[in-house]
Amino acid sequence: GDSVTQMEGPVTLSEEAFLTINCTYTATGYPSLFWYVQYPGEGLQLLLKATKADDKGSNKGFEATYRKETTSFHLEKGSVQVSDSAVYFCALRGGNEKLTFGTGTRLTIIP
Amino acid sequence: ETGVTQSPTHLIKTRGQQVTLRCSSQSGHNTVSWYQQALGQGPQFIFQYYREEENGRGNFPPRFSGLQFPNYSSELNVNALELDDSALYLCASSSGPRDEAFFGQGTRLTVV
Repeated sequence: GDSVTQMEGPVTLSEEAFLTINCTYTATGYPSLFWYVQYPGEGLQLLLKATKADDKGSNKGFEATYRKETTSFHLEKGSVQVSDSAVYFCALRGGNEKLTFGTGTRLTIIP
Repeated sequence: ETGVTQSPTHLIKTRGQQVTLRCSSQSGHNTVSWYQQALGQGPQFIFQYYREEENGRGNFPPRFSGLQFPNYSSELNVNALELDDSALYLCASSSGPRDEAFFGQGTRLTVV
């Protein structure tokens, strides 16, 4: 079945550092790929998405590129801020229309 | 435009009891999905309702059941609660089964 593997956390960075959170997936066909963010005490918010190979999703300075050859969708940001502290989930939607999530990566940014 | 709202926000139940969680979908949305998020884990798909019919189910036992109403709001019912049912239950609505899902803040269920 479909699965998502993402970088184990927690990740702690200093403000303005470069961020990468790795995500790889297993799925049949051509899934859509997503990054969701969960701030403390809140539900999930869609951060960005990509629906086909080589698409780049971007939002709020975050980017991720759909790499079919490596089955990856790594999240990157050039300069993180304290307000980026949250839990980040990589997810895919395959042919069965359900979202399959990774286990999440907790990110803490230190001023 | 109101977003997805869930009620209650927190509740505590005793093992063996039954619980009903509620979700009001975003205006214009006809699809509701339910997810279970155990502590430190990613959300796990329970089931999806589309236009009042179940439209897919994850690997959860039959004691997890649901309902979608004509106004597209939804309920999640769990019978014979077990300690492992303690989790954050998330509802998401969308304008179709494959469209962007908008999540509510969740209901934190604790089974003691």
